[in-house]
Amino acid sequence: KAGVTQTPRYLIKTRGQQVTLSCSPISGHRSVSWYQQTPGQGLQFLFEYFSETQRNKGNFPGRFSGRQFSNSRSEMNVSTLELGDSALYLCASSPQGRGSPLHFGNGTRLTVT
Amino acid sequence: SQQGEEDPQALSIQEGENATMNCSYKTSINNLQWYRQNSGRGLVHLILIRSNEREKHSGRLRVTLDTSKKSSSLLITASRAADTASYFCATDAGRDDKIIFGKGTRLHILP
Repeated sequence: KAGVTQTPRYLIKTRGQQVTLSCSPISGHRSVSWYQQTPGQGLQFLFEYFSETQRNKGNFPGRFSGRQFSNSRSEMNVSTLELGDSALYLCASSPQGRGSPLHFGNGTRLTVT
Repeated sequence: SQQGEEDPQALSIQEGENATMNCSYKTSINNLQWYRQNSGRGLVHLILIRSNEREKHSGRLRVTLDTSKKSSSLLITASRAADTASYFCATDAGRDDKIIFGKGTRLHILP
């Protein structure tokens, strides 16, 4: 089976712009979670989608949003980018999400200048 | 807020030695997982231990869980250069079942 695929791998944006990141989960996995990883804060949970519904949400401002499509692919969007949004954004999929291991993609490295 | 906290933050050992990392958490959990991350890449799942289990093995990995102390340890035996990575513990955060990660232990295996 193909692993979790995240695109693009690297992204450079300017403050105030918006960005959309994409995640294709492992075939058959219905849960997709997003995490932001920074050196100072570590891995912070953004949200989880299951069967096109947001099931959990972390403590991030409304500028961070996401969605999941009927084929389980997911996108996350960040509007009005700030310098502090520079991070590695990781997507993870699992069959059910709860109580099962997460399978991570290699992330999208976002740099905001 | 972080649920799991790993200790130590960084660890350097000689190849062939055993490496032990600890994780402490604050609230009741359904399960605890350990992950490895090589620099700049995604995390790889290593092992999952449920709250009613006390010890689990996978190859050179041994994980223990003490729910009374709200702590877990990961032991890597006979370390190799390829074990150089960051290691994270992750817990589900109770009723809402979010998986929350600690800040990790950076392990460096010296040749």
